[in-house]
Amino acid sequence: KAGVTQTPRYLIKTRGQQVTLSCSPISGHRSVSWYQQTPGQGLQFLFEYFSETQRNKGNFPGRFSGRQFSNSRSEMNVSTLELGDSALYLCASSRVPGELFFGEGSRLTVL
Amino acid sequence: AQSVAQPEDQVNVAEGNPLTVKCTYSVSGNPYLFWYVQYPNRGLQFLLKYITGDNLVKGSYGFEAEFNKSQTSFHLKKPSALVSDSALYFCAVRDDSSASKIIFGSGTRLSIRP
Repeated sequence: KAGVTQTPRYLIKTRGQQVTLSCSPISGHRSVSWYQQTPGQGLQFLFEYFSETQRNKGNFPGRFSGRQFSNSRSEMNVSTLELGDSALYLCASSRVPGELFFGEGSRLTVL
Repeated sequence: AQSVAQPEDQVNVAEGNPLTVKCTYSVSGNPYLFWYVQYPNRGLQFLLKYITGDNLVKGSYGFEAEFNKSQTSFHLKKPSALVSDSALYFCAVRDDSSASKIIFGSGTRLSIRP
């Protein structure tokens, strides 16, 4: 069974640009969550989608957005990038609440 | 609001010795607690969970966790540490407002010396 796949794995952007990250969940998992991981703030919850609907949202500015497609694949978008957005962005899918299966992450560097 | 605290940034243990990684929680209702592990440059992996029932929960890779309601703790344990256990460990709790929102602690780096 294929795991959670995130693309791209690494990317470099400059301030002011925007970025889109993609996540393909495990087959049969309808819930997809996104987290931001940084050395200073740790793991912070961004949002969670289920059946194309955003069920939960963390405390991030509106520049951070996401969506989920009918095949459960999800994307997150960050607009007007800031230096502080440099982080590892982790996607997780689940079938049972709390039992998250994480991808290897997309490491974003903003210059 | 739900939260978990991991009081130790780093834990160092000799191979073969027992290990404990500490976690305390704060919840308003019934606690739903989890442990995850992160190896270098990888995503997190689910280790175990406590929902209800026995206070000693067994998980992957020989790990177990002890739920203690009076001390509001959920410590991760292993009887005999391996060098390959060296990783970053996260305690987590389910948010009261939504079963699908998981809140993570700050993480504890476990280092096992040969």
